[in-house]
Amino acid sequence: SYELTQPLSVSVALGQTARITCGGNNIGSKSVHWYQQKPGQAPVLVIYRDANRPSGIPERFSGSNSGNTATLTISRAQAGDEADYYCQVWDSSTAVVFGGGTKLTVL
Amino acid sequence: QVTLRESGPALVKPTQTLTLTCTFSGFSLSTSGMCVSWIRQPPGKALEWLTLIDWDDDKYYSTSLKTRLTISKDTSKNQVVLTMTNMDPVDTATYHCARTDRGTKGDAFDIWGQGTMVTVSS
Repeated sequence: SYELTQPLSVSVALGQTARITCGGNNIGSKSVHWYQQKPGQAPVLVIYRDANRPSGIPERFSGSNSGNTATLTISRAQAGDEADYYCQVWDSSTAVVFGGGTKLTVL
Repeated sequence: QVTLRESGPALVKPTQTLTLTCTFSGFSLSTSGMCVSWIRQPPGKALEWLTLIDWDDDKYYSTSLKTRLTISKDTSKNQVVLTMTNMDPVDTATYHCARTDRGTKGDAFDIWGQGTMVTVSS
């Protein structure tokens, strides 16, 4: 079965750039989606198809995907960006796969 | 405006069958490319996808849970129903339904319901 690996936690200083990775075998050949989840709330889609932002998502959020790693980048990090972030792909054998999630802390 | 809302029992006993309903509005599950999934999240843990049904009534199940899951849809009522048999305390979680619009955002879940918390306890 296909697996996605995320770091448990990432810290970033206020105003700096945070990068959250999502590792998977040849993940560059798949479409990766990213979700933000704040405590007590449902997840929100922030990036779809590797690098596309839904309407209403700030330009500070961007994504990339190549080789065995996809990356969510949050520029000029704000306190309101503190949340759990999940990557997700569709795999032909496993259907939907989520990463284990990364807790982003803004210092 | 697209919305989804989950409903069902908050408490079930071990070995019982759980039935949850996702009632949605703002789209039709008979439209090509539309799908609805169930995703759960145990307290303090990660998201876990359970099952998906698409506009063509194709169904996909989590490999680890497929023997316990059934998904169905009632297009006329704008509802998707999940049944999960032989419930166990480890199944305690918030259960979300979520939409996929393959025509615009691929396999992403673009709209989520708020979720319903289900506790499994005797």
